[in-house]
Amino acid sequence: NAGVMQNPRHLVRRRGQEARLRCSPMKGHSHVYWYRQLPEEGLKFMVYLQKENIIDESGMPKERFSAEFPKEGPSILRIQQVVRGDSAAYFCASSEGQAGNQPQHFGDGTRLSIL
Amino acid sequence: RKEVEQDPGPFNVPEGATVAFNCTYSNSASQSFFWYRQDCRKEPKLLMSVYSSGNEDGRFTAQLNRASQYISLLIRDSKLSDSATYLCVVNTGNQFYFGTGTSLTVIP
Repeated sequence: NAGVMQNPRHLVRRRGQEARLRCSPMKGHSHVYWYRQLPEEGLKFMVYLQKENIIDESGMPKERFSAEFPKEGPSILRIQQVVRGDSAAYFCASSEGQAGNQPQHFGDGTRLSIL
Repeated sequence: RKEVEQDPGPFNVPEGATVAFNCTYSNSASQSFFWYRQDCRKEPKLLMSVYSSGNEDGRFTAQLNRASQYISLLIRDSKLSDSATYLCVVNTGNQFYFGTGTSLTVIP
């Protein structure tokens, strides 16, 4: 499967635990975006990364959330000390070129549930 | 004001009907535009890019009006498989802004 791969598909955490969401972009894509989708709402931009660089993190909450896209391996979205309000679907997308020049292709998403 | 606004619907149309969705965006500096579809609890999938001159892909036609800052999607000869939520997406700078989507149900 050459598409965007996200794992896990479903993640359950208790309040206060950490959640790690992984995203491997499509082959040949070096631009990664993370979005959050709450039930009955649209996708909200969180962060845009290229390899080893955060390009735009204006959509990320100021605390508890971080993202990286290392030289090797998948992009990671990390949520520390999760709270009930973090329950959502988290989608990763990748593109071949710079934001705007190329459309994005999405992974299946990670459904995060906080108990 | 939201970056992208769409009528949430729902639109319930019979098979074979023609249906049109509109979307407005607030930032005149927006650079590129797309329509995605999202099936229930699945990932968004690119339907088509939207070009200034308008573009067509089979039964789907997209239009962009920069002066009025709106985008439209026309679906002709609706099929049952067209039932989904249609997302208007606008790129401004580094960010892609998604509308909340318009729900379409095609009825047999």
